[in-house]
Order: sequence, then structure tokens, then C-alpha cells
Amino acid sequence: DAKTTQPNSMESNEEEPVHLPCNHSTISGTDYIHWYRQLPSQGPEYVIHGLTSNVNNRMASLAIAEDRKSSTLILHRATLRDAAVYYCILTFNTDKLIFGTGTRLQVFP
Amino acid sequence: GAVVSQHPSWVICKSGTSVKIECRSLDFQATTMFWYRQFPKQSLMLMATSNEGSKATYEQGVEKDKFLINHASLTLSTLTVTSAHPEDSSFYICSARLRRGTDTQYFGPGTRLTVL
Repeated sequence: DAKTTQPNSMESNEEEPVHLPCNHSTISGTDYIHWYRQLPSQGPEYVIHGLTSNVNNRMASLAIAEDRKSSTLILHRATLRDAAVYYCILTFNTDKLIFGTGTRLQVFP
Repeated sequence: GAVVSQHPSWVICKSGTSVKIECRSLDFQATTMFWYRQFPKQSLMLMATSNEGSKATYEQGVEKDKFLINHASLTLSTLTVTSAHPEDSSFYICSARLRRGTDTQYFGPGTRLTVL
């Protein structure tokens, strides 16, 4: 399975944009990039996913580099409820989601 | 849509007893469900993949006789921790895949198991 690298932690102030990076230099041409987040004491929550083009939904935006070796999850206006561990995961036609250590996002009021 | 529930949300049991955890997809049919375990301050670890009507596929190092998985219907999968011991205390989380051909999974809220 192609691996991802994320910073252990990041901080943001409320109502500011947050850019969460993910490196995946060994990504293959058919790997999808998925983002999930896990709030404390809860199951993970699907955030967004993409293949090549940038993606937007009501929760976030996903910017994918042209060479696909990195991507960035963008929270346009962080709220206290966005404090969570964010996981970047690659998948290809597989049932499995292999979770790494993720990025712990702290949001300050 | 795409809601997954788990029951119970927490359970405390004595060492040597068995505990059953239910995972239900409430508003969709899930041909595939997954079970994860998460220890404090660690990431999720996939335990097994469960397909409706067939035997579960366990990840390496997970004892299939200790963690019994049943996926009898398209909306229900159960995980039974048999002869539980304190080292089995963990946060157990299930997920369901919405449909074939997609990798997106929807997760339950988790079950906190404490074995005394």
C-alpha cells in the first residue's frame, strides 16, 4: 500500500483557514486520496476524496498537486468543532482503509 | 444519509466472559463492513473485513477464534470478543461501505470495552 506522510500536529485560530498537507510520493496512477477525521472518543468521519482534480464539498476542499505526489485538505474557516485528528489515506479498488498517525489539529478561540 | 450505529456504546465485563458488539447500517444496505480497534492515543487498526453471507477476512495477527464476526444481513454485523481479558480493553469501531465500486466508508460511533 502506498504510504502517506502528515505532520503530527497543527494549530489554527478560529475562523481562519487551515491547510493540512499530505505527502504521498509513491502514489500510483489509480490511487484515490481520501481524508477522514476523528473527533475525540468518536468514530472517524468521511471528509472528502479525490483522484486528480481538486474537489469541493460542504465540509472542505481538496487540492491535489499536478504530479499527485501531495495534496492539501483545506478548511476554509476553522471552528472549534473542527479540532480533530485528520487522516490522509490512499486507496485503490480495495476494501481497506489503512490509517496512519494523522495530523492532530488544535483550534484556538 | 449513510448512518452507522453501534451497540452498546460502552461495556464493562469480567475477565473470561464474552461480549457482543452490534454494528448496523441504518439507512443503506452494506455488503461490506469492517471492524477496527483503537488503543488510547493510537491510530485505528483494521481487524477484519466482513462480507454479508460469507466468512470474515481477518488481518494478520488477529485471532479469528477470539474475535468472532458475523454478517448475517445487509444491515447488521456483530463482533463477539470471546473470553475477554484486560488486554482486550479497547475502543472498537465498525464501518460500512456504502456500495460496491466505492472506497468510502462510514463509521459507527465506537464501543468502549473495559475488561476487569
